[in-house]
Amino acid sequence: QVQLLQSGREAKKPGASVKVSCKASGYTFINNGITWVRQAPGLGLEWVAWINPYDGNTHSSEKVQGRVTMTTDTFTSTVYMELRSLRSDDTAVYFCARNYDSSGHLDPFDHWGQGTLVIVSS
Amino acid sequence: EIVLTQSPGTLSLSPGQRATLSCRASQSVRNSYIAWYRQKPGQAPRFLIYGASIRATGIPDRFSGSGSGTDFTLTISRLEPEDFAVYYCQQYGTSPLTFGGGTKVEIK
Repeated sequence: QVQLLQSGREAKKPGASVKVSCKASGYTFINNGITWVRQAPGLGLEWVAWINPYDGNTHSSEKVQGRVTMTTDTFTSTVYMELRSLRSDDTAVYFCARNYDSSGHLDPFDHWGQGTLVIVSS
Repeated sequence: EIVLTQSPGTLSLSPGQRATLSCRASQSVRNSYIAWYRQKPGQAPRFLIYGASIRATGIPDRFSGSGSGTDFTLTISRLEPEDFAVYYCQQYGTSPLTFGGGTKVEIK
């Protein structure tokens, strides 16, 4: 069965960087994009960024553009998201999710990781 | 960007009752590319519906979606205990992808 297993919670100071991982299993890794969605405490869902593991193409929201880098390790079927210059409003649970279809970043998400809490506080 | 407005904010119903959730878009959603998710506290969202009306694999037929253009609806015909949760709509027709603010379905 498809599973996405994320790394554990992180606590960072403003201005620092965080790198979150998402290990996929149960399907052919390069066949589906992976998207990051975040959820600030008590709030709704926000699309953050996407990567196509097949060719490395990425796309991110305006809010994080220039601060986010996504990479993949096809040997371990793992996606990494690094977010730099952290601000307090980056505090959220970050979910990785598998794109339902393989074509581009405009997709719904059929499987989700368990979430990684990133806390940004001085 | 397309803004999705969900209503009502909270729906108070009893098990076995019918729930009707609305999702209104600020502009027409290309190809009715609307998805719905259910999220229980402390969990990741679960994929329910895509293409406005197509149930995802394993989703029971008490869930149905409808709509086109700017107005979309998720209907749960008979609420089960596990259905008391928050529901989000999402549009994936235009970048950036956006989500609605959610509707909480609570036990009356």
